[in-house]
Amino acid sequence: SYELTQPSSVSVSPGQTARITCSGDVLAKKYARWFQQKPGQAPVLVIYKDSERPSGIPERFSGSSSGTTVTLTISGAQVEDEADYYCYSAADNMAVFGTGTKVTVL
Amino acid sequence: EVQLVESGGGLVQPGGSLRLSCAASGFTFSSYWMHWVRQAPGKGLVWVSRINSDGSSTSYADSVKGRFTISRDNAKNTLYLQMNSLRAEDTAVYYCASWAVAGTDWGQGTLVTVSS
Repeated sequence: SYELTQPSSVSVSPGQTARITCSGDVLAKKYARWFQQKPGQAPVLVIYKDSERPSGIPERFSGSSSGTTVTLTISGAQVEDEADYYCYSAADNMAVFGTGTKVTVL
Repeated sequence: EVQLVESGGGLVQPGGSLRLSCAASGFTFSSYWMHWVRQAPGKGLVWVSRINSDGSSTSYADSVKGRFTISRDNAKNTLYLQMNSLRAEDTAVYYCASWAVAGTDWGQGTLVTVSS
């Protein structure tokens, strides 16, 4: 099975940059997605193919990849970006979400 | 507007069965891979299963393999998850999601509680 490891929490001041990492061997050969989930809501896709942004997602969200680690960057974080973030990847008839990161903007 | 509406959740005893449904509308259901994802109370997202667009290929998380079966009826625009031999650790909100390269849509989830 695959595992994707994220930090449990990240704190950032409004307007500053938050970076969330996701590490796992599968990321060296497969793309990652990033999902944002706010309390009581279904997840929302914010990045796909490591660094592509779906339509409607603010430009402050960006993604990058290096080896077995992908990174979600929120540049100029807003209060409304406070949420849980999960990476995701899939390979060989399996898929997995990361352990999740709670982003606090204060 | 894309809509995914899950149903079929509820309280079931350990060892019991449930069938979840996900009714899709607002998009061409038969063109999309579909996934089930679950989330235990206060915990993270866990991928459960996926099925390709015509239903010919499926895959499962190790934790549910042999107990859960994903299927779809493209004529009825409906996704299913048959859950057998349920365990306390299967207690979670179950989401269905449509999966495209550049986007996903999710339902609001249905709660499954496994308890005696």
